[in-house]
Amino acid sequence: ILNVEQSPQSLHVQEGDSTNFTCSFPSSNFYALHWYRWETAKSPEALFVMTLNGDEKKKGRISATLNTKEGYSYLYIKGSQPEDSATYLCAFFDPNTGNQFYFGTGTSLTVIP
Amino acid sequence: GAGVSQTPSNKVTEKGKYVELRCDPISGHTALYWYRQSLGQGPEFLIYFQGTGAADDSGLPNDRFFAVRPEGSVSTLKIQRTERGDSAVYLCASSLTPGGAGSDGYTFGSGTRLTVV
Repeated sequence: ILNVEQSPQSLHVQEGDSTNFTCSFPSSNFYALHWYRWETAKSPEALFVMTLNGDEKKKGRISATLNTKEGYSYLYIKGSQPEDSATYLCAFFDPNTGNQFYFGTGTSLTVIP
Repeated sequence: GAGVSQTPSNKVTEKGKYVELRCDPISGHTALYWYRQSLGQGPEFLIYFQGTGAADDSGLPNDRFFAVRPEGSVSTLKIQRTERGDSAVYLCASSLTPGGAGSDGYTFGSGTRLTVV
């Protein structure tokens, strides 16, 4: 079982604040890392698929970076809005350990209006 | 369909009973996955289908759990003799790329919340 860790576990920010959180994963045999946003009572939604060291991807106010050599990815949210409130999950894929993604426990973000 | 559909959305069952959870993936997605999320944990892998066959069932916790996908589309997760520890959100996902590591990622359903009382 691979260890994928996310921090912090939960986060409360004021509307308009920018924030970021971390996903740590094994730095050897990297293949792919995914970020998902999971709002309560909805389906987890794919945000980013990251495959190359140094990747930086952006979708609106949300962006992510990837460092495969040191085994971490950051997710940034600029100017947080209440609709950003959700759990953000990262998932690590290593084809050498089977056909599955290993998920972190998530970061629960609450944006206070 | 437009997305991955899971039914029922909620299921409450008594300890010892049998339950079936259904997943209808996106049309054309040959890869289908079941994950389980227990309280305070990230989703944990249960089983992966490529077409009709279970390509990897290493995540099924014990022989009370079984899943099928007879025609390569709809899948059913079956749990026999349910226990309170089986209470969790059961998520189904499908992907176009076998293994799910491609640029499309997974498309998840909204899950079935199973409560065993």
